[in-house]
Amino acid sequence: SQKIEQNSEALNIQEGKTATLTCNYTNYSPAYLQWYRQDPGRGPVFLLLIRENEKEKRKERLKVTFDTTLKQSLFHITASQPADSATYLCAPPRGYNQGGKLIFGQGTELSVKP
Amino acid sequence: DSGVTQTPKHLITATGQRVTLRCSPRSGDLSVYWYQQSLDQGLQFLIQYYNGEERAKGNILERFSAQQFPDLHSELNLSSLELGDSALYFCASSVEAVGEQYFGPGTRLTVT
Repeated sequence: SQKIEQNSEALNIQEGKTATLTCNYTNYSPAYLQWYRQDPGRGPVFLLLIRENEKEKRKERLKVTFDTTLKQSLFHITASQPADSATYLCAPPRGYNQGGKLIFGQGTELSVKP
Repeated sequence: DSGVTQTPKHLITATGQRVTLRCSPRSGDLSVYWYQQSLDQGLQFLIQYYNGEERAKGNILERFSAQQFPDLHSELNLSSLELGDSALYFCASSVEAVGEQYFGPGTRLTVT
């Protein structure tokens, strides 16, 4: 069955460093993948969407890569700040492109220390 | 503020009861999604509506039902509640049937 795996352990980094989060998927090839940020007790916030024909996408200090051979997406936050501390979720669609039916990973908790 | 509103914010009820959660999507969004988030399960897709019609279904229990009304707001009905139904319920919306989703603040349901 389709499976999404993110770093299960929390990631602790120093302010100013680059945070790299991993999302691996197995048993299928999604047409796109989304990344969301979630703060405790709040709804996820959309960050970036990357399609299968895009190797890399950027938005301000955020960068996402999509490697369909490795079946992996990497999410980078450069020049990280304490305000970036949150849980980050990757979400490909269920099936190649099953509409809005997203599978959310368990998320990686990022903590940026000043 | 995503523009998606959900009511109520908190709900405490007893086992066996029935509750209704309400969601108003962002202005202009035609698609509404419902998710359940519990500590051990993560964010689980329940159901999607697009312009009033059911579009996709996830692992939604038979005790749960939803609908989207002509004004595009949506309601999620949960009946015969069990302790395990305690969770955060999120609604999200999007312009089309695919694409980025905008989440509401959630309804925290506690079943006692």
